[in-house]
Amino acid sequence: DTAVSQTPKYLVTQMGNDKSIKCEQNLGHDTMYWYKQDSKKFLKIMFSYNNKELIINETVPNRFSPKSPDKAHLNLHINSLELGDSAVYFCASSPGTSNEQFFGPGTRLTVL
Amino acid sequence: AQSVSQHNHHVILSEAASLELGCNYSYGGTVNLFWYVQYPGQHLQLLLKYFSGDPLVKGIKGFEAEFIKSKFSFNLRKPSVQWSDTAEYFCAVYGGSQGNLIFGKGTKLSVKP
Repeated sequence: DTAVSQTPKYLVTQMGNDKSIKCEQNLGHDTMYWYKQDSKKFLKIMFSYNNKELIINETVPNRFSPKSPDKAHLNLHINSLELGDSAVYFCASSPGTSNEQFFGPGTRLTVL
Repeated sequence: AQSVSQHNHHVILSEAASLELGCNYSYGGTVNLFWYVQYPGQHLQLLLKYFSGDPLVKGIKGFEAEFIKSKFSFNLRKPSVQWSDTAEYFCAVYGGSQGNLIFGKGTKLSVKP
């Protein structure tokens, strides 16, 4: 059974489009995250949710909006996609903010 | 702001060589420390973690790390690397008011067969 799953795995789209990435965890964790990994493999946290409430919102363009319909899901919606948004986006979850994080398989977003 | 430094950007070793990857962090209080590995094209997986107790921590696949509080370091070691250890390695630290894990920039390990 997949602990943290993301869909889609690959996403190729045109500049200006709006797209969503879905994340689900079946670990019963309270906290979920979105990270962006650029071409140099640098991992940058974007958002963190604890029990459906936003607790971290790093300096991210407001074109990115997280949505947590319940504790097990944290989706990422991106408006007006730009070339610089091309990256791998990882979802993660943890039983608490100080604990080990479990990562999803990643979504490779390519904006043309 | 807290930071995590991984000194080596790219390490190239031959099989059976010993490995040590450096990690230093800036926060002086109580920390939780992690090493993650990312194999090519895959997601991050936990290698080992330190919360408290014995500062020498053993992880999966023969990896270990030593927490040296006085040096703010948590270096990763493996006595004999294999070709399958080729991957990106990330050190991460949780501590203080940051409220989230801070990742280092990663070290790429290439092991020649």
